[in-house]
Amino acid sequence: QKEVEQNSGPLSVPEGAIASLNCTYSDRGSQSFFWYRQYSGKSPELIMFIYSNGDKEDGRFTAQLNKASQYVSLLIRDSQPSDSATYLCAVRGATNKLIFGTGTLLAVQP
Amino acid sequence: DAGVTQSPTHLIKTRGQQVTLRCSPISGHKSVSWYQQVLGQGPQFIFQYYEKEERGRGNFPDRFSARQFPNYSSELNVNALLLGDSALYLCASSLSGSNQPQHFGDGTRLSIL
Repeated sequence: QKEVEQNSGPLSVPEGAIASLNCTYSDRGSQSFFWYRQYSGKSPELIMFIYSNGDKEDGRFTAQLNKASQYVSLLIRDSQPSDSATYLCAVRGATNKLIFGTGTLLAVQP
Repeated sequence: DAGVTQSPTHLIKTRGQQVTLRCSPISGHKSVSWYQQVLGQGPQFIFQYYEKEERGRGNFPDRFSARQFPNYSSELNVNALLLGDSALYLCASSLSGSNQPQHFGDGTRLSIL
């Protein structure tokens, strides 16, 4: 079992729709959770971080965390073509190492 | 404010050579981490340094080493380069070595011939 798992996609959504990106993790001692956006050929850019169970909203982005289910998700409302990128889920576990998933490719269709 | 800066941007080496990559963190950040990213994968953790001390090490061979300087900048050294070391090497900085978010530089793209 991978430490952090994401569906590689591509996830295709129409412009204006809600994109839902999901991530599961194996380390129950994980303490902090991050979402990064990575455009092709570029470095990862921090989008959201969440530490506690529940929802955290920032503009069009909402991060959701369920530690009991070891599940974290990212919702993108009113998706735009410029949101098309790979979204990386990263989890910091009990070892304090930041572990990344392989990323989900999001394609927003105009 | 300047973000994380890495140098060089691109580098071409041959097998067996040695390479040094450099990173300057965001002003005020005291922790630097290094990652290796190959195409189609997420970044793989190599090292974390905080206040000049190693705080974590990933599953990389001893050919990989790093250090952090008093000004919090950092170097990653890779000896005896292999073809498989070809990757994007990313540096990330954070305020501290714990749960703080990490911010990435643009990376150094290393190609081994």
